[in-house]
Amino acid sequence: DIQMTQAPSSLPASLGDRVTITCRASQDIGNYLRWFQQKPGKSPRLMIYGATNLAAGVPSRFSGSRSGSDYSLTISSLESEDMADYYCLQSKESPFTFGSGTKLEIK
Amino acid sequence: EVQLVESGGGLVQPGASLKLSCVASGFTFSDYWMSWVRQTPGKTMEWIGDIKYDGSYTNYAPSLKNRFTISRDNAKSTLYLQMSNVRSEDTATYYCTRGWGGDYWGQGVMVTVSS
Repeated sequence: DIQMTQAPSSLPASLGDRVTITCRASQDIGNYLRWFQQKPGKSPRLMIYGATNLAAGVPSRFSGSRSGSDYSLTISSLESEDMADYYCLQSKESPFTFGSGTKLEIK
Repeated sequence: EVQLVESGGGLVQPGASLKLSCVASGFTFSDYWMSWVRQTPGKTMEWIGDIKYDGSYTNYAPSLKNRFTISRDNAKSTLYLQMSNVRSEDTATYYCTRGWGGDYWGQGVMVTVSS
């Protein structure tokens, strides 16, 4: 199975900060990488697909990038509504696998 | 508006069987692969498997393949997850999702396995 190593597990940050969450794939997954946001008591919401493409309705302060086997989700200027858990998912090869999640919280 | 509504969860004893349903609306159900994903109480996300748009092919996480079965009824726009011989580690919130990578998710249904 492809392992997705996500870091950090917790990220305290202040409003207005630029924050980055990273997932590293244990094998080549090309751009088959998605990012999800999950707020407390809610189901996950697709934020980024194809490693770099913004899903419909997602604010432009969110972006995705790739450097080799490292994939990143960046929020350019943190807003209060961005406080949530974030997960990456590789859909290159079955079984699809998720990262362990990052809890983004107010410092 | 795309909607996915799961049902069928609850408290179940170890070794029992349970069938979850997911009714889809707001899109042409028969055009899409569908998937099931679960999230443990500790928030770990696990992909369970998926099913082709016409139901002719299914794919499972190897660890669940022998106990879980995914099916669909396109006439009813409904996705199913049959769970058998459930264990305590199957306790989770179960989500149905559209497509391979979950561009839309249902609200989830909780399954608790306990005696």
